[in-house]
Amino acid sequence: SQQGEEDPQALSIQEGENATMNCSYKTSINNLQWYRQNSGRGLVHLILIRSNEREKHSGRLRVTLDTSKKSSSLLITASRAADTASYFCATDAGAKGAQKLVFGQGTRLTINP
Amino acid sequence: DTEVTQTPKHLVMGMTNKKSLKCEQHMGHRAMYWYKQKAKKPPELMFVYSYEKLSINESVPSRFSPECPNSSLLNLHLHALQPEDSALYLCASSQGVLRGYEQYFGPGTRLTVT
Repeated sequence: SQQGEEDPQALSIQEGENATMNCSYKTSINNLQWYRQNSGRGLVHLILIRSNEREKHSGRLRVTLDTSKKSSSLLITASRAADTASYFCATDAGAKGAQKLVFGQGTRLTINP
Repeated sequence: DTEVTQTPKHLVMGMTNKKSLKCEQHMGHRAMYWYKQKAKKPPELMFVYSYEKLSINESVPSRFSPECPNSSLLNLHLHALQPEDSALYLCASSQGVLRGYEQYFGPGTRLTVT
């Protein structure tokens, strides 16, 4: 079963605006990761936030984590057309001896010029 | 070199064919993964190799057979597939085998089973 659920499923905004995507999960985690996927391509790792962290920044990306609510958000500031992609959160289901990522359903982000 | 390569990019095969997907990384990563992704869905884990040994098999049908010949290579052998197996197959690798490592993905192989 999928660990993460994302909201919204699709988001369309104008270039220059900020985009916020949310992810909720069901069980306790060690870390949560965000990935981007351009249409029909492989995934690109964006950021990892550990369970003892509340906020993390990377360039125009800001990720928050609220373990009490079992939720995370990804904020992209000053969006660009190149940010058009699907964004997935992923939690580690914690298998013995190996990492096992479970991805959320994803948010399809469209940036309109 | 921070790239994971996958060949072929596209593959069309009949239900009686035998084919293989290939994945390669030269980052010295010790964990490698196969995922299956259907259109507009998230990737779903199929197999995990840790130090060249199969660590996780997510109850994948035996018509999919993974192989890790060495630390840089990962193959997925396909035999007697069904049309519902048509999907994007993604390979990934990570530096560590435990939690907390980002995964590097290849561009995928688009498989169509006719």
